[in-house]
Amino acid sequence: GAGVSQSPSNKVTEKGKDVELRCDPISGHTALYWYRQSLGQGLEFLIYFQGNSAPDKSGLPSDRFSAERTGGSVSTLTIQRTQQEDSAVYLCASSSARGRVYEQYFGPGTRLTVT
Amino acid sequence: AQTVTQSQPEMSVQEAETVTLSCTYDTSESDYYLFWYKQPPSRQMILVIRQEAYKQQNATENRFSVNFQKAAKSFSLKISDSQLGDAAMYFCAYRSTQGGSEKLVFGKGTKLTVNP
Repeated sequence: GAGVSQSPSNKVTEKGKDVELRCDPISGHTALYWYRQSLGQGLEFLIYFQGNSAPDKSGLPSDRFSAERTGGSVSTLTIQRTQQEDSAVYLCASSSARGRVYEQYFGPGTRLTVT
Repeated sequence: AQTVTQSQPEMSVQEAETVTLSCTYDTSESDYYLFWYKQPPSRQMILVIRQEAYKQQNATENRFSVNFQKAAKSFSLKISDSQLGDAAMYFCAYRSTQGGSEKLVFGKGTKLTVNP
């Protein structure tokens, strides 16, 4: 079946502009995660959605970052007033409850460059 | 908060040889999961192997095996009979079983080069 897909693959934007990154999880997966991968910080957790529960937003670095998940499926990560330090690869993952171990399946990521 | 440390930024191995990648972690929890992920240049993170902390037996997946030392909080990955396709970034990751959060905490990664 289809894996996690993300769009766009690459995005170049000017400092101060808003951007939206999209994630399509594997069909039927109830959990969705966003991570950020940057050269200096490695892989960092941003936000986690599980079904209809309130999301875990503890990893969002500032109030310029927000995410939503519509209909329990597609998710959009929005970065407002982008800064150069926002340049990174943004990875999305999804998982389904399978026994005790919920394997996270990752998408190919969106490389964001802020000029 | 949990932390994951990979002390080897880069490693290299000859094709067909064996290599071990190190990972240590810090936690006060007794039950958790540990993972090794592979990230080739395509950026796609691929799960290599996972270990549940309550299991004493080390996990094995074909040429990949782990040495899980719970008391020492160590979780190394051994790759046997290395192949050119094993060249990638390898990330060690920790997942808690408490608090409802299923986020992964990653180490900074080890870049593995496989020499022909």
